[in-house]
Amino acid sequence: GQNIDQPTEMTATEGAIVQINCTYQTSGFNGLFWYQQHAGEAPTFLSYNVLDGLEEKGRFSSFLSRSKGYSYLLLKELQMKDSASYLCAVRPGSYNTDKLIFGTGTRLQVFP
Amino acid sequence: EPEVTQTPSHQVTQMGQEVILRCVPISNHLYFYWYRQILGQKVEFLVSFYNNEISEKSEIFDDQFSVERPDGSNFTLKIRSTKLEDSAMYFCASSNAVRENTIYFGEGSWLTVV
Repeated sequence: GQNIDQPTEMTATEGAIVQINCTYQTSGFNGLFWYQQHAGEAPTFLSYNVLDGLEEKGRFSSFLSRSKGYSYLLLKELQMKDSASYLCAVRPGSYNTDKLIFGTGTRLQVFP
Repeated sequence: EPEVTQTPSHQVTQMGQEVILRCVPISNHLYFYWYRQILGQKVEFLVSFYNNEISEKSEIFDDQFSVERPDGSNFTLKIRSTKLEDSAMYFCASSNAVRENTIYFGEGSWLTVV
């Protein structure tokens, strides 16, 4: 089966650092994506990992360990506008499709 | 930045009616997808489309659903006879290659079946 787990909700303070974890068990693996989704809006691409290690992109970093089936998204210098849901999604790796399997998302609330 | 556009943004329809949701993928993209998100639930894959045919579909995508690329720019999702449980946000997405590291989502079409 396909299973992606992430915490349902997290809170943090403006200016702080927050780490959102994601664990996955899928039939195959060919990449892990993080998306940001504000309520009622489309998922917006944040990061992509296919090899082990850390990918950094400004205030956002994402880490992957394929052997552990684990990823995290690190958000630094939190801003109020970072309050959103963060979706972890895995591409299982079918040869002719880019289907993504999504987790339920982690709703992050940033307080002043 | 190029974007995927969807219409309508919101549609209310009566149970049993047919609905067509439209998408214009990014112009040089070749792979197209529909996902849905029931309120408060996770984003779920419906179907992927490449080279004018379905490449994969989920168990949600039953005979009531169909997709079409009628004119080389639009990509449509048709629900033949809507049910209450079809109420959801429907997202179109596109990429220009399989294995590409970015899949772009449209703003979504919110469907309410009454």
